[in-house]
Amino acid sequence: EVQLVESGGGLVQPGGSLRLSCAASGFTFSSYDMHWVRQATGKGLEWVSAIGTAGDPYYPGSVKGRFTISRENAKNSLYLQMNSLRAGDTAVYYCARVGVRGYCSSTSCYTSYYMDVWGKGTTVTVSS
Amino acid sequence: EIVLTQSPGTLSLSPGERATLSCRASQSVSSSYLAWYQQKPGQAPRLLIYGASSRATGIPDRFSGSGSGTDFTLTISRLEPEDFAVYYCQQYGSSPPRFTFGPGTKVDIK
Repeated sequence: EVQLVESGGGLVQPGGSLRLSCAASGFTFSSYDMHWVRQATGKGLEWVSAIGTAGDPYYPGSVKGRFTISRENAKNSLYLQMNSLRAGDTAVYYCARVGVRGYCSSTSCYTSYYMDVWGKGTTVTVSS
Repeated sequence: EIVLTQSPGTLSLSPGERATLSCRASQSVSSSYLAWYQQKPGQAPRLLIYGASSRATGIPDRFSGSGSGTDFTLTISRLEPEDFAVYYCQQYGSSPPRFTFGPGTKVDIK
């Protein structure tokens, strides 16, 4: 069964640090780009970070310089190191696998990217 | 940066009715990069549609996606009780790789 399981969430004070983990199983982890997405209570989904198969990281401006995404393919694991945490970082954090599908019409070829497997999430609360 | 807007914010319908959800992008988006997700309370999002119109594995055919350019639509032909949820559209940006989500449309029971 294809599965992602997040862990490492908890209560942390403002300015503190936390490291989230995501354990993958049921698929060839090293072959997929992986992302973190978060959701504050009652709010929408926010993309947090991405890592390619070669380990290249990407971040939105809201977390750049504070969050670090990494992966350990030998352990089928994804990580998110979160430093200088703020109240606004309080959310459920999901890891997600990026699926890729290529297809061609009569005139052109296209590639789709989408998040096809999600974990159940881990909750991070930043509060004093 | 592309911004996605979804309308309406809330859609109140009865089981058996047709639901039409809109996602509008601030600039043209490749159809291949547009996806739709369903999220129920306390659960992770679930992929419904990718490439604007392709159903993900196991998704019933009452769900369909369409659109191009800046306007995309998710249609649920006949609402089942389990379809009452929040729906998000999502756009993939390739340079650099990133995903942008719309604010969501809640479909609730009338």
